[in-house]
Amino acid sequence: SQQGEEDPQALSIQEGENATMNCSYKTSINNLQWYRQNSGRGLVHLILIRSNEREKHSGRLRVTLDTSKKSSSLLITASRAADTASYFCATNQGAQKLVFGQGTRLTINP
Amino acid sequence: DADVTQTPRNRITKTGKRIMLECSQTKGHDRMYWYRQDPGLGLRLIYYSFDVKDINKGEISDGYSVSRQAQAKFSLSLESAIPNQTALYFCATSEPRGDQETQYFGPGTRLLVL
Repeated sequence: SQQGEEDPQALSIQEGENATMNCSYKTSINNLQWYRQNSGRGLVHLILIRSNEREKHSGRLRVTLDTSKKSSSLLITASRAADTASYFCATNQGAQKLVFGQGTRLTINP
Repeated sequence: DADVTQTPRNRITKTGKRIMLECSQTKGHDRMYWYRQDPGLGLRLIYYSFDVKDINKGEISDGYSVSRQAQAKFSLSLESAIPNQTALYFCATSEPRGDQETQYFGPGTRLLVL
């Protein structure tokens, strides 16, 4: 069964607005990662947050992690048309395997 | 994506046929993975290999087999294809980095089983 559950399944916003996606998981993790997938293409790693970290930034991306609630959020600020993609969270539970969520489809409208 | 290549990129086959999907990487990574992606279900792990002599089943290995011919090559076979194996298949690689390990994905193979 899938470890990560993502919310919302789909999100449509105007260019320039911020986009927030959430991920919940069920068991202890070593780290949580976010990946982006452009339509029909391979996934690309965006950012990793370790279990002992609470917040991390990378350019326009901000990730938070709340291990007590077993949840994470990905914030994309000042969205652009090129941000249109599916976003997946993936949890590393140890043994160096990743378990992926179902993804959030983000559409940025011009 | 150019560091991890998959062939073929698209494949149509018939029920009962045996097919092989191939993955090659130039990243020098020891660890390789095969996933399938179905609409609305995210990615599910089929098999993974941490080095040439290591093969492990993932979440959904039934109906699949793999071969790790070399550090750079990891092939996925469908012994007798069935329609519910129609999906997008991804190969990925990684290298050991403790709690900082991330995966690098190929462009995918779109498989249709008729």
